[in-house]
Amino acid sequence: QSALTQPASVSGSPGQSITISCTGTSSDIGAYDYVSWYQQDPGKAPKLMIYDVTNRPSGVSNRFSGSKSGNTASLTISGLQGEDEADYYCSSFTTTNTYVVFGGGTKLTVL
Amino acid sequence: QVHLVESGGGVVQPGRSLRLSCAASGFSFGTYSMQWVRQAPGKGLEWVAVIWYDGGVKYYADSVKGRFTISRDNSKNTLYLQMDSLRADDTAVYYCARDGYGYGCHWYLDLWGRGTLVTVSS
Repeated sequence: QSALTQPASVSGSPGQSITISCTGTSSDIGAYDYVSWYQQDPGKAPKLMIYDVTNRPSGVSNRFSGSKSGNTASLTISGLQGEDEADYYCSSFTTTNTYVVFGGGTKLTVL
Repeated sequence: QVHLVESGGGVVQPGRSLRLSCAASGFSFGTYSMQWVRQAPGKGLEWVAVIWYDGGVKYYADSVKGRFTISRDNSKNTLYLQMDSLRADDTAVYYCARDGYGYGCHWYLDLWGRGTLVTVSS
């Protein structure tokens, strides 16, 4: 069982917007703004999409945005495209001895 | 171009040891903290360890503490993971990754290698 809770799957049609939630606790997401999101295609390494809750690395489409409220972080993808189909993982620093926790991953399907 | 290339994976018997390496190129390796993350077959990501840019601080996941050792040689632009007392549940693809902040840690990984597979089996 992962420390951060994500839905196992989400889906949307091209052009729509979807949001993936990531629920933690007051020891991780609720404590720091060290929340990041990663996109992973099958058989490939993860790719950073969002860091420090809301920041987008250069080269990442502005269709990707991040937010946080309390112990829950969210990744929103607007204007869905077929190339967005992938697994998405959230991550957070934690005050526990674990230091870093990941969500279990969400499989995004573009219908 | 910036690159991280892992090596050293393979099949190993339970209880034995293995050392992974991660060669960095295209950036100032000695100014970034580095981490190892693993992914068991068909499973999600699991954080393993972090080492500060100067090697002065190291943290480990509880699942590997006391068995794995992270280290680095900034003169060789190389990160290492010494894995001892390996168990079947250590079977995974091991990724080395760069913390994007520089010098310290902001706990996000902006550069990843392609990973190396470690299989622990008798």
